[in-house]
Amino acid sequence: NAGVMQNPRHLVRRRGQEARLRCSPMKGHSHVYWYRQLPEEGLKFMVYLQKENIIDESGMPKERFSAEFPKEGPSILRIQQVVRGDSAAYFCASSKRAANTGELFFGEGSRLTVL
Amino acid sequence: DQQVKQNSPSLSVQEGRISILNCDYTNSMFDYFLWYKKYPAEGPTFLISISSIKDKNEDGRFTVFLNKSAKHLSLHIVPSQPGDSAVYFCAASAITRDNYGQNFVFGPGTRLSVLP
Repeated sequence: NAGVMQNPRHLVRRRGQEARLRCSPMKGHSHVYWYRQLPEEGLKFMVYLQKENIIDESGMPKERFSAEFPKEGPSILRIQQVVRGDSAAYFCASSKRAANTGELFFGEGSRLTVL
Repeated sequence: DQQVKQNSPSLSVQEGRISILNCDYTNSMFDYFLWYKKYPAEGPTFLISISSIKDKNEDGRFTVFLNKSAKHLSLHIVPSQPGDSAVYFCAASAITRDNYGQNFVFGPGTRLSVLP
């Protein structure tokens, strides 16, 4: 499967624990985006990364959230000290840098439930 | 501040008729527009796109129209089928300030129900 791979698909955490969500982009894609979808809401941009660089993190909460996309391995979205309001579906998407096509390919999402 | 708006949260259409989903944007720097379809418990999938230099793009039953002066685009599905029932997201793209990559802003989505 050459698509965007996200894991885990479902994650349950208790308040105060840490959540780590992983994303492997499509082969040949070097740009990764993370979006959050709260229940009954749309897709909210969180962060845009290229290998070893954060291009745009304007959608990331200032505290407890961080993201990385190392030279080797998947992109990681990390949420420390989770709270109930972090319960959501987190979608990763990847793209090539192609200025005139702009197509994003999404993974199936990781659904975080905070008890 | 919502840069991409989809003012209809839901739409119901009879099978075989036309579905028209609307989207408005505020940022004139957007140069590419896309529609995505999402089923429950799945990731969004790309449907159709249009560059800002065009005003229409057609792919089978799906046509996207862009009115740049009005900052408005619409997705037409004809004929609508029950399998088209899903949430449709409008997205707009612009090159980042450093000219290095592209960012994508999504609207809140419209839930389309096609009734048999």
